[in-house]
Parts: sequence; C-alpha cells; structure tokens
Amino acid sequence: QKEVEQDPGPLSVPEGAIVSLNCTYSNSAFQYFMWYRQYSRKGPELLMYTYSSGNKEDGRFTAQVDKSSKYISLFIRDSQPSDSATYLCAMNTGGYQKVTFGTGTKLQVIP
Amino acid sequence: DGGITQSPKYLFRKEGQNVTLSCEQNLNHDAMYWYRQDPGQGLRLIYYSQIVNDFQKGDIAEGYSVSREKKESFPLTVTSAQKNPTAFYLCASSIQDEQFFGPGTRLTVL
Repeated sequence: QKEVEQDPGPLSVPEGAIVSLNCTYSNSAFQYFMWYRQYSRKGPELLMYTYSSGNKEDGRFTAQVDKSSKYISLFIRDSQPSDSATYLCAMNTGGYQKVTFGTGTKLQVIP
Repeated sequence: DGGITQSPKYLFRKEGQNVTLSCEQNLNHDAMYWYRQDPGQGLRLIYYSQIVNDFQKGDIAEGYSVSREKKESFPLTVTSAQKNPTAFYLCASSIQDEQFFGPGTRLTVL
C-alpha cells in the first residue's frame, strides 16, 4: 500500500463547477500538507500549504485537512479552463524531512 | 527575479554516456532536491542536500550522482549505470517544509 493515495483521474468538469480533489494517507506522523498544480511539461507550482488539521482558503481555492481520517482535500470554486492541470498532494512530518507526493489527479475544465 | 532555473529544457543522450543536468536557485534556500517524474508514478526522490558540501541519497539514487559545492547550485549527473534514465527531472529547493520547483529537464535516451 502506498503511503499517499490519490485518484489519477482524469476528472472532467464544466466551467464554473466546484471541484473536489482528495488524498488519503497512512502515516499519522504527517503534519504539513501541500497542494501543487502542474501544467503539462512544467514544474509543479505550490498552491496551498497547511499545517495540521483545519481549513485554509486562498481565493477560489480551499485546502482541508482531517487528520483523524487521514484525508486531505482541495476545493476549487468557479473552476476555469485555466485550472486544467494535474494536481499533486504532498505531505511530510516537518522540518527538512522527506516530502511524500501523491501521483496526481488530472483535471480538465471544459468551457 | 527570484527562482529556480534548470537547463537544458530538453536533453538527448546516447546509451553509455553520462550527462549532467543543471539546477541553480537564487532564493537563498539551504535545502535542494532532485526528483524524477514518470507517468503514473508521481515524484520520486533521487538525492537531496540540506547544506553545502553535504547530500544524502533518496529513494532511487542508483545510477545518479550529485555535488553541492555552492549554496546556489546542485547539479545532477545521470550516469551510464542508470538503467532507465528517460524521464522528466525536477529540481526543487526549500525553506522548511515548502518546496519550490524548477521548470524541469526532459531527458531522452536514444
């Protein structure tokens, strides 16, 4: 079993929809959680960074962490065609410790 | 502009050759990382360095080598011992937990 599980998709939604992207993990020591957006043939771009449980909002993006369920989510409101990309979840135990990445979910927002 | 640069963007190598991928950052980050990305496998850690003149093996270090002589630079050499080197290579740097990535180098072995 992988330490971090992420549905690879692809996920297709119409423009304006609310998108929910999710990851589950098995290591209860993970404390820091990140979401990256990666356009085709580009490097990943850090979107959201959260510590421990709770919600964090930044514009149309909301990151949610439920440590009791070992489950994290990224919500995208009013999705746009420019949101079409692969979204990677990532997490680690803190400091300069190794970051474990999910395999990514490919999202397509259809105009 | 602050950021991470990788060169070249595309690299072609014949079997049996060593090649070196460049990674430079001007973010003043202490830690730097090399990942390999293959379809359906996510990012796998090759090597990382938390400080100048020190580096550690990641999960898939065999067939790769690195150096960290300067804070800004962390080059990766893909040696002929790497059995399946065709992949997308990503360099990253970090301050604490947030890692920032370069644009990547796509290596193809002919």
